[in-house]
Amino acid sequence: AQSVTQLDSQVPVFEEAPVELRCNYSSSVSVYLFWYVQYPNQGLQLLLKYLSGSTLVKGINGFEAEFNKSQTSFHLRKPSVHISDTAEYFCAVTDTGRRALTFGSGTRLQVQP
Amino acid sequence: GAVVSQHPSRVICKSGTSVKIECRSLDFQATTMFWYRQFPKQSLMLMATSNEGSKATYEQGVEKDKFLINHASLTLSTLTVTSAHPEDSSFYICSARDRTGGNEKLFFGSGTQLSVL
Repeated sequence: AQSVTQLDSQVPVFEEAPVELRCNYSSSVSVYLFWYVQYPNQGLQLLLKYLSGSTLVKGINGFEAEFNKSQTSFHLRKPSVHISDTAEYFCAVTDTGRRALTFGSGTRLQVQP
Repeated sequence: GAVVSQHPSRVICKSGTSVKIECRSLDFQATTMFWYRQFPKQSLMLMATSNEGSKATYEQGVEKDKFLINHASLTLSTLTVTSAHPEDSSFYICSARDRTGGNEKLFFGSGTQLSVL
């Protein structure tokens, strides 16, 4: 079984500032890692994913994340945020065979002008 | 791109009634769909895995007789909350697996907010 911890329930940040959303996971087997974004009244949209290879993964909208196996982390970063990045962000993990995702509790990114 | 349509987006019902939530894959065939539930400020929790043409697989602690799942076609899965009670009030969200072209992708519906009075 896996679990995902997103320690920050809310992250307020000013426009054009950098941001990091933290995600830690636990698993006894190899995993795939994902970040999803949910805008108001919309479904979850995939931002990026780590399956294998380079530990630095680049996604849509200028986001990137780095897989750190020793720290069991997959933190999401963006060097300069926009008002439009205001949304709920979910980190998720799945083992390589099961395909159903285990989600974190989400982090609300609030970008202020 | 591929879209998953989930309806209704919001439903309010009286205690004891049943509520059906639909999840449709609009431009791909989904042999597998997943149903999640999210309580306020908590994670999305997997309730069940729905496989087309066979019985759903429920997660531990999820009552299969209360949460009826039907996946009768490759584009539609339904979740029926039977005899709903206030503790069933939650946000329900589905996802559908697209295996078109050998690349596996998961797409999510926009969710259903269920409020049981």
